[in-house]
Amino acid sequence: AQSVTQLGSHVSVSEGALVLLRCNYSSSVPPYLFWYVQYPNQGLQLLLKYTSAATLVKGINGFEAEFKKSETSFHLTKPSAHMSDAAEYFCAVSVGGTSYGKLTFGQGTILTVHP
Amino acid sequence: GAVVSQHPSWVICKSGTSVKIECRSLDFQATTMFWYRQFPKQSLMLMATSNEGSKATYEQGVEKDKFLINHASLTLSTLTVTSAHPEDSSFYICSARDEGTEAFFGQGTRLTVV
Repeated sequence: AQSVTQLGSHVSVSEGALVLLRCNYSSSVPPYLFWYVQYPNQGLQLLLKYTSAATLVKGINGFEAEFKKSETSFHLTKPSAHMSDAAEYFCAVSVGGTSYGKLTFGQGTILTVHP
Repeated sequence: GAVVSQHPSWVICKSGTSVKIECRSLDFQATTMFWYRQFPKQSLMLMATSNEGSKATYEQGVEKDKFLINHASLTLSTLTVTSAHPEDSSFYICSARDEGTEAFFGQGTRLTVV
């Protein structure tokens, strides 16, 4: 079984500041890891994914995440926050094979960006 | 990227009635579709996995007779909430994938049962 823990249900940063959203996972097999963003009353948009290639993954809108197996972490970062980054962010884990795409989500982190 | 369309985007229904939600893959064949439910201020929880032409596999605690899932074609899956009650009010989101690809999400359906 897999699980995901997102540390911090709410994160608040100033515009231009570093964004760091934390995600730790648990998986009995090599995981596939994802970060999604959700705006109110909308579906999920994929920011980036780790699929066992490079451990540092670059995504859309300037976001990136680093897979650290020793720490079972996949934290999301962005060097400089923009007002449009305010949304809810979900970390998710999947396994491969026929279950690829079947996601277990973390609890979500609401990112607030102050002017 | 691949496009998944969900319909309707929102629906209000009376308690005791049934509601059907459609999930379509517009530019790829969806051999597998996933249905999630998201209660207010909560995360997404997988309800069921459906493979084209097969019966859906439901997660523990999800009533298969209440949430009917049909995946009769490679581009369409439907979720029918039967005899809906206020506690079924939620945001329902589907995702779809082809073999060997990642899953793409629809825009979700806000169901309100009054």
